[in-house]
Amino acid sequence: AQSVTQLDSHVSVSEGTPVLLRCNYSSSYSPSLFWYVQHPNKGLQLLLKYTSAATLVKGINGFEAEFKKSETSFHLTKPSAHMSDAAEYFCVVSDYQFYFGTGTSLTVIP
Amino acid sequence: ETGVTQSPTHLIKTRGQQVTLRCSSQSGHNTVSWYQQALGQGPQFIFQYYREEENGRGNFPPRFSGLQFPNYSSELNVNALELDDSALYLCASSWGEGKETQYFGPGTRLLVL
Repeated sequence: AQSVTQLDSHVSVSEGTPVLLRCNYSSSYSPSLFWYVQHPNKGLQLLLKYTSAATLVKGINGFEAEFKKSETSFHLTKPSAHMSDAAEYFCVVSDYQFYFGTGTSLTVIP
Repeated sequence: ETGVTQSPTHLIKTRGQQVTLRCSSQSGHNTVSWYQQALGQGPQFIFQYYREEENGRGNFPPRFSGLQFPNYSSELNVNALELDDSALYLCASSWGEGKETQYFGPGTRLLVL
């Protein structure tokens, strides 16, 4: 069975400081993993995708994530937060369907 | 290339009524998945259609049903609406079944009174 745990429901950072959003997954086989972002009253936008080609995945808007099989983790990072990064972030593990985490709300303090 | 579109954007219904939500998939995509996102929660998988056949279903009762048309657009039908059906309904399209990237529409917000 597939499942995702997002370890923080809320994260607050100051503008210009690093962002770390944590995600652990459970999968019975080699998974595809995704991070999506949802801005208020908007649909879900793909940030990045892991498909076993490389463990460090670069996405849009300066985000990246590292797949660590030994830790079953897929944490999302960004070196420097921007005000426009404030949103809800979802980690997803996939077989034929997507299994979403409960989301992490990112607040960026000016 | 047009993205995924959904209609209507908002809808208000009363308990016991029926509702149909519509989704147009992204150009070139043949798979549509539907999700329910309750307030403050992550999206929950309802079902997926691949080449007009249901290709998987989440833990939703039979009063949630769907269709996919030859042009790969899709409908989600919900009968006998309950208050707990109030949510954002998201449609996503992809090329092929399985672990392919899914592209999401903006959603339909349904309120059941």
